[in-house]
Amino acid sequence: AQSVAQPEDQVNVAEGNPLTVKCTYSVSGNPYLFWYVQYPNRGLQFLLKYITGDNLVKGSYGFEAEFNKSQTSFHLKKPSALVSDSALYFCAVPIPSGYALNFGKGTSLLVTP
Amino acid sequence: GAVVSQHPSWVICKSGTSVKIECRSLDFQATTMFWYRQFPKQSLMLMATSNEGSKATYEQGVEKDKFLINHASLTLSTLTVTSAHPEDSSFYICSAITGTGRFGYGYTFGSGTRLTVV
Repeated sequence: AQSVAQPEDQVNVAEGNPLTVKCTYSVSGNPYLFWYVQYPNRGLQFLLKYITGDNLVKGSYGFEAEFNKSQTSFHLKKPSALVSDSALYFCAVPIPSGYALNFGKGTSLLVTP
Repeated sequence: GAVVSQHPSWVICKSGTSVKIECRSLDFQATTMFWYRQFPKQSLMLMATSNEGSKATYEQGVEKDKFLINHASLTLSTLTVTSAHPEDSSFYICSAITGTGRFGYGYTFGSGTRLTVV
């Protein structure tokens, strides 16, 4: 089954410091991976996706993610965190039957001033 | 870009009544729409997949008679929570596939509906 795992419930980082939100995947075939962000009581906003090609994927709002096949990871990163980045982050992978997204449990990012 | 408009944003209803949630694709045709449910500080759980003009496919454990999904047109999918009870209180989000082909497709999400049953 196509799945992703987010090992951290919460990540705390000081504003201006680099941030990493972890995601590992378990998929058959070539992975197709997504990162989304959710603000309180809102839908999900697309950050970036990996299809194929370059292992470093650049996305919205200064975020990027590194695809690592040997470690089966797709960690989300940002060089300098902003307080406004505080939100819930989800890693996701499409389910082959029907193509709905299967989400990780989510990681709450808190950026403190 | 592709936009899905979801209404209402929040609704409070009395136990035993029914509530309808609408998701409209504004600038594209949504052949497939997904409905998710999310509890506080938890992940999104897929409830069902609806395809325009056909019956929805429900995930295991989701009561199809309680959560009625209709996808009668390429721009509108609705979720009706029938005979709602407090345990149905949750955040409901719809999503549609956008684009085509292995490398071109993505997903867009509605803004969500906070349902509170009292």
